[in-house]
Amino acid sequence: GNSVTQMEGPVTLSEEAFLTINCTYTATGYPSLFWYVQYPGEGLQLLLKATKADDKGSNKGFEATYRKETTSFHLEKGSVQVSDSAVYFCALRTTKKDSGYSTLTFGKGTMLLVSP
Amino acid sequence: DSGVTQTPKHLITATGQRVTLRCSPRSGDLSVYWYQQSLDQGLQFLIQYYNGEERAKGNILERFSAQQFPDLHSELNLSSLELGDSALYFCASSVGSGTGLLVVPTGELFFGEGSRLTVL
Repeated sequence: GNSVTQMEGPVTLSEEAFLTINCTYTATGYPSLFWYVQYPGEGLQLLLKATKADDKGSNKGFEATYRKETTSFHLEKGSVQVSDSAVYFCALRTTKKDSGYSTLTFGKGTMLLVSP
Repeated sequence: DSGVTQTPKHLITATGQRVTLRCSPRSGDLSVYWYQQSLDQGLQFLIQYYNGEERAKGNILERFSAQQFPDLHSELNLSSLELGDSALYFCASSVGSGTGLLVVPTGELFFGEGSRLTVL
């Protein structure tokens, strides 16, 4: 079945540090990949996505590249801010050819804590 | 604001009781998803509805049920509650996920702020 594995947190960084959150996946076919972010007390919201191999998704200074050969979609940011403190979820979507139905599978989430 | 509304935001109840969580999707979204988030299990997919019909089931217990009404709002019913059911329950909506020409699988889900259930 489909699965997403993320590095365990919390990841603790100082402001302006470089961020990497690892994500690897197992899926049949060619899934689309996503990063969602959950700020304290809020629901999840889409951060970025990539729909095919070698695509790079980017938003708010965050980037992730769809690496089919390593089945990875690592999230990076060059300089984190205190406001980036949140839980980050990697997810994949697969679509069944016969029904067109899509499922979205999430990783367990990685908490990021950024201190001033 | 995602446009997805969930009520109640917080709920405290006792073991053996039954509760109903309500979700109003974004205007125009036909798909509604329910997820359970707990510290040990992470974000678990429970069930999905599309335009009133059940489309997929995940790790949903038999004690739990859901439905989507003609006005597209959805309710998640949790019965015979146990301590382990304490969690944050999220509803999400999206435009697509149907069949034939109606499929618009954008993959982007819009989440509500969740309903926090505490079972004592």
